[in-house]
Parts: sequence; structure tokens; C-alpha cells
Amino acid sequence: DAGVIQSPRHEVTEMGQEVTLRCKPISGHDYLFWYRQTMMRGLELLIYFNNNVPIDDSGMPEDRFSAKMPNASFSTLKIQPSEPRDSAVYFCASSWDRVRTPLHFGNGTRLTVT
Amino acid sequence: GEDVEQSLFLSVREGDSSVINCTYTDSSSTYLYWYKQEPGAGLQLLTYIFSNMDMKQDQRLTVLLNKKDKHLSLRIADTQTGDSAIYFCAVPSSNTGKLIFGQGTTLQVKP
Repeated sequence: DAGVIQSPRHEVTEMGQEVTLRCKPISGHDYLFWYRQTMMRGLELLIYFNNNVPIDDSGMPEDRFSAKMPNASFSTLKIQPSEPRDSAVYFCASSWDRVRTPLHFGNGTRLTVT
Repeated sequence: GEDVEQSLFLSVREGDSSVINCTYTDSSSTYLYWYKQEPGAGLQLLTYIFSNMDMKQDQRLTVLLNKKDKHLSLRIADTQTGDSAIYFCAVPSSNTGKLIFGQGTTLQVKP
């Protein structure tokens, strides 16, 4: 299996622009998670899906952030408009179960907003 | 709320043992995990232990779980330079069912 695939690996954009991050989970995994990693706050869970349905988005920082999962093999995380404080590494992860099986992480998207 | 704490940094010499500690406030009865993150990469599952176990050994890795003290540790025997990375413990919350990650411990291995 190719693992969780994220694109792009790096994104540099200017403040105010829209940013879309993409994720392809491992085939057959029912759960998909979006995390954000920063030096200051560590690893934060933003949102997770079960069978393409958003279950908990309490970690999404603001209305500027939105996530979708139109089908079992694709998810997007969108930031509109982006701000410099959104600069972070964004990880997508997938798993068979919410906690009883391990999460498989992608290699992340490093976002820099100038 | 639930909390998972780790020390931020550990430095050891090549060939020595490393012990990375993790304390938590709450856990459901399921698996507790250790993940490894190398520079520029995502988190990789390193090992795990079920909550009804005290110890698990996997080659150079030993996981110890003290449920009474809510303490989890990861011991790496014969630490190599390739073990240099950030190590995260992850504990499932019994309240929310979410996996709670510690802040990560940066392991530096000196030759």
C-alpha cells in the first residue's frame, strides 16, 4: 500500500489567499483525521471523519478553515483567507478505527503564509 | 481535561539506553501508542501496548505501563544515531474517545 498521500508537500502563499491541502487515505480505512503541528502548540487535532462524514470539528480554529471528504479516497482542508499564523505543518492520518487501531500519517504539507 | 506530558529533550551517547517517559491524566481501556517522527516526515507508529499489560518488548524497544501511576515509558536499548528523532506518546481519552498526543520528546544521540 502506498500509505497516506498528501499534496502539496510545501505551500508558500501570501496572506489573504486561499489554500487547499489534499489527502488520499489508505484504502479501506474508515477514519480520516486532519492535524496541525506547530512548535508552540504541538500536534492539534482539527477535524476527523468517519465514513466520509465529519464527526468532530471542534479543533478547527476558525471559520476560515473548512474540510470536506467527498468520497472515501479523498479529503481537502481549505483555509480562506489564509493568515501568517496559519503557518504550520498539516498532517492527514487514517485508520480502521478511531483509537483501537493505530493512525497512519502522511508526510504532511508545510504551509508558509507570508 | 485530559493531558499527556512528556519531557521535551533527551540526549544520550550511542550504545547507551534511552528512556522516554510519558504521564497522562486519563485513558480508556485500549491501546497506548508510541510514534516516531523523523525530520520532514509524518509520525510513524513505533510500538504500542494494550492497557491490560505491564510490559511489552519488541527487539530493542521495551514499553512499560504503570496504570496506577498513569505512567508510560519507552526504553530503547543500544541507541543508535538513526534513533535520533522526536518521540510522541499517544493515549486515548475515555471521555472523548480521541487520541491525545504528548508534546513529543526530541532524542539526540551523540556518536
